[in-house]
Amino acid sequence: AQSVTQLDSQVPVFEEAPVELRCNYSSSVSVYLFWYVQYPNQGLQLLLKYLSGSTLVESINGFEAEFNKSQTSFHLRKPSVHISDTAEYFCAVRGLRGGSEKLVFGKGTKLTVNP
Amino acid sequence: GAGVSQSPSNKVTEKGKDVELRCDPISGHTALYWYRQRLGQGLEFLIYFQGNSAPDKSGLPSDRFSAERTGESVSTLTIQRTQQEDSAVYLCASSLMGLSGDTIYFGEGSWLTVV
Repeated sequence: AQSVTQLDSQVPVFEEAPVELRCNYSSSVSVYLFWYVQYPNQGLQLLLKYLSGSTLVESINGFEAEFNKSQTSFHLRKPSVHISDTAEYFCAVRGLRGGSEKLVFGKGTKLTVNP
Repeated sequence: GAGVSQSPSNKVTEKGKDVELRCDPISGHTALYWYRQRLGQGLEFLIYFQGNSAPDKSGLPSDRFSAERTGESVSTLTIQRTQQEDSAVYLCASSLMGLSGDTIYFGEGSWLTVV
């Protein structure tokens, strides 16, 4: 079984500041890792995912996340945030065991970007 | 359809009544998932369908909860004798084949309030 810990439930930052949203996971098998974003009054959308290859993955809107196997982490970062990045961010993991596995989510981090 | 569609978007029901929530997955997607998000909590997995069968229904919280899928398309989640603790957003999602690396696409959810 897998579990996900998002250490910060709320992160307030000022516009153009850097941000890091932390995510740690535990699993007895290898995993794929995902970040989903939920903008106000909208559904969950995939932001980025790590499946294999380079441990640094990027999204189209400037976010990046790095898979660190030794620290079992997949922290999400952006060097300069915008007001429009205000949303709730969910880290999720999925096991690679043969057959389909469910996506296991963390409790989410609410990012609020202030002017 | 273009995305995962859920209905109703909002439902207020009296304690003890039964409710049905409907999900139309993306056309051609064989895998379908139901999740629940209670206020201030992360997403809880409820059930997973591959085609019309449910190989994983480990997340259904009690025998008051059931789900079915027909025609490898529409799914219905039924909650019998609703209780106040059932109040939550019920999210449906689908993916192409249910493989671990597949992107899972979410609907906007059905907000259920039990009074």
